[in-house]
Amino acid sequence: GAGVSQSPSNKVTEKGKDVELRCDPISGHTALYWYRQSLGQGLEFLIYFQGNSAPDKSGLPSDRFSAERTGGSVSTLTIQRTQQEDSAVYLCASSPLIGGAVNNEQFFGPGTRLTVL
Amino acid sequence: GQNIDQPTEMTATEGAIVQINCTYQTSGFNGLFWYQQHAGEAPTFLSYNVLDGLEEKGRFSSFLSRSKGYSYLLLKELQMKDSASYLCARRSSYKLIFGSGTRLLVRP
Repeated sequence: GAGVSQSPSNKVTEKGKDVELRCDPISGHTALYWYRQSLGQGLEFLIYFQGNSAPDKSGLPSDRFSAERTGGSVSTLTIQRTQQEDSAVYLCASSPLIGGAVNNEQFFGPGTRLTVL
Repeated sequence: GQNIDQPTEMTATEGAIVQINCTYQTSGFNGLFWYQQHAGEAPTFLSYNVLDGLEEKGRFSSFLSRSKGYSYLLLKELQMKDSASYLCARRSSYKLIFGSGTRLLVRP
């Protein structure tokens, strides 16, 4: 497929457990973003990757949240000791790097719906 | 979210025209996006404005006034499939800051 893919599509976990969410961006896209969308709310920025480095982590809500990206491609968002308020749809997006500047449009994946019981 | 305001919900009739407004905080502004999101699906890109004026793309048009911190999305010849949420987002550096979205219901 040519689009952004995410796995799993749905994840149900118990409070206190750790979860890992995966994002496969569009091939060749240098920039990768994680957003969170709670029920009935807009998208909330979490973290931005340029290549393998994360120049902007300002949206991560607590130190229980972390993310990494390897090989300038796949990214993993990890939530440790999950809480019920972490329940949301986690969306990943990617965009190309053209002419030395990040292009405008972000392409979104289908998201992972996380439910913490 | 974060000083971006748009109506929560709108209703319109099939075949009609609807305008969805968005106001935003102007500091650090670097472009204004509109995305469409059907329930349970990923947001899809509709339009991008960085200069003042109207950008037309088929049935959809988007307008921007940077001095007023104002944008609107205009949907013409509404179809039932246009029932979705419409997300206004401003670009600040590399990230997008989204409003809470406007849920549009198109009725026959």
